[in-house]
Amino acid sequence: DIQLTQSPSFLSASVGDSVTITCRASQAINNYLAWYQQKPGKAPKLLIYRASSLQSGVPSRFSGSGSGTEFTLTISSLQPEDFAVYFCQHLHTYPLSFGGGTKMEIK
Amino acid sequence: EVQLVESGGGLVTPGGSLRLSCAASGFIFSGHTMNWVRQAPGKGLEWVSSIGATGTDTFYADSVKGRFAISRDNARNSLYLQMNSLRAEDTALYYCSRDQPFSNFDLWGQGTLVTVSS
Repeated sequence: DIQLTQSPSFLSASVGDSVTITCRASQAINNYLAWYQQKPGKAPKLLIYRASSLQSGVPSRFSGSGSGTEFTLTISSLQPEDFAVYFCQHLHTYPLSFGGGTKMEIK
Repeated sequence: EVQLVESGGGLVTPGGSLRLSCAASGFIFSGHTMNWVRQAPGKGLEWVSSIGATGTDTFYADSVKGRFAISRDNARNSLYLQMNSLRAEDTALYYCSRDQPFSNFDLWGQGTLVTVSS
């Protein structure tokens, strides 16, 4: 089974900052990786798919990169509405899995 | 409107059973693999199960294999999760989601809460 390790698990940042979250897979998953944002009381929202493709309607300050086992989500110029929890997910083979999450809070 | 609406959650005693439903609308339900994902209170996301577009292929997390059964009725645009032998650790908000192959879960419901407690 493929395990995803996200880091950091907690991130404190300020409006306007640029931040990067990392997701490492226990084995190569090509680019079959997605990123989601989740706010309290809400379902996850798709941000990035196939490691680097921006979902329609998602602001361009969100970007993803990587292939194989190491992936990153970068948010440039943080906005107040970006403070949330972020999850990565692999879709390479079953069983699918999610990373443990990164909670981003306002400094 | 494109949406997924879950129902069927509730309070159940350990060892009991529950059947969750997910009603899909606004898209061609029979063209998509569908999934169940759960989230325990204050915890992360856990993939539970997936079912192929025709219902023939099913997949389960080890934590639910042998206890849960996923199914679908394409004529009714509905997804189901039959949960048996429930345990306290199955307590979670259960989401259904639409699959884009090898790509993402691009549509999610609002979730239905399952609480397993005596």
